[in-house]
Amino acid sequence: GAVVSQHPSWVICKSGTSVKIECRSLDFQATTMFWYRQFPKQSLMLMATSNEGSKATYEQGVEKDKFLINHASLTLSTLTVTSAHPEDSSFYICSAWLGTANTGELFFGEGSRLTVL
Amino acid sequence: SQKIEQNSEALNIQEGKTATLTCNYTNYSPAYLQWYRQDPGRGPVFLLLIRENEKEKRKERLKVTFDTTLKQSLFHITASQPADSATYLCALGAGYSTLTFGKGTMLLVSP
Repeated sequence: GAVVSQHPSWVICKSGTSVKIECRSLDFQATTMFWYRQFPKQSLMLMATSNEGSKATYEQGVEKDKFLINHASLTLSTLTVTSAHPEDSSFYICSAWLGTANTGELFFGEGSRLTVL
Repeated sequence: SQKIEQNSEALNIQEGKTATLTCNYTNYSPAYLQWYRQDPGRGPVFLLLIRENEKEKRKERLKVTFDTTLKQSLFHITASQPADSATYLCALGAGYSTLTFGKGTMLLVSP
């Protein structure tokens, strides 16, 4: 099946610093990628929809100035957590849809565990 | 508001038995429902998709049913194996951008 690669798989940073997470579709082109956040024992919460060549669409309650998303090519989307704080510590997962709008599947990256000290 | 409910308690079964997981939803009319498997510290992996006009779908040892009247989907794993131990998520959607996930149910298969 299709492969989505996410990097880094885990990162520890100091409060106030910025962290960039990359999401790549390795064997297919993804005009749309999705960024999720998952807290322990919680469901995946969609943060934003990343569209190649245009601005990301953020879900309600997600600060677009804090979570910067760039989708510069058909195979790469990046999420930058700016001025990270301990409450931003979470599991961040990206995904890309392969198929049409009403039939297809999401291919997920391996996730990135962010710990902010 | 839309709500997806999956058993929060882990399901413990013995190897060889059939595992049945439940996904209930309210205030939603999905065009399809999907099931994903998630291992600890990993991203989810797609398993099956079933549409609103389909009652049952099978794939190898997996079977999914979808009852839009009861607003419920059942996910079965027959002849379960310890390697099937994971968290299983159901997701409802009307299009890829509206996919909504449940919290998942952990399945533990003991040898």
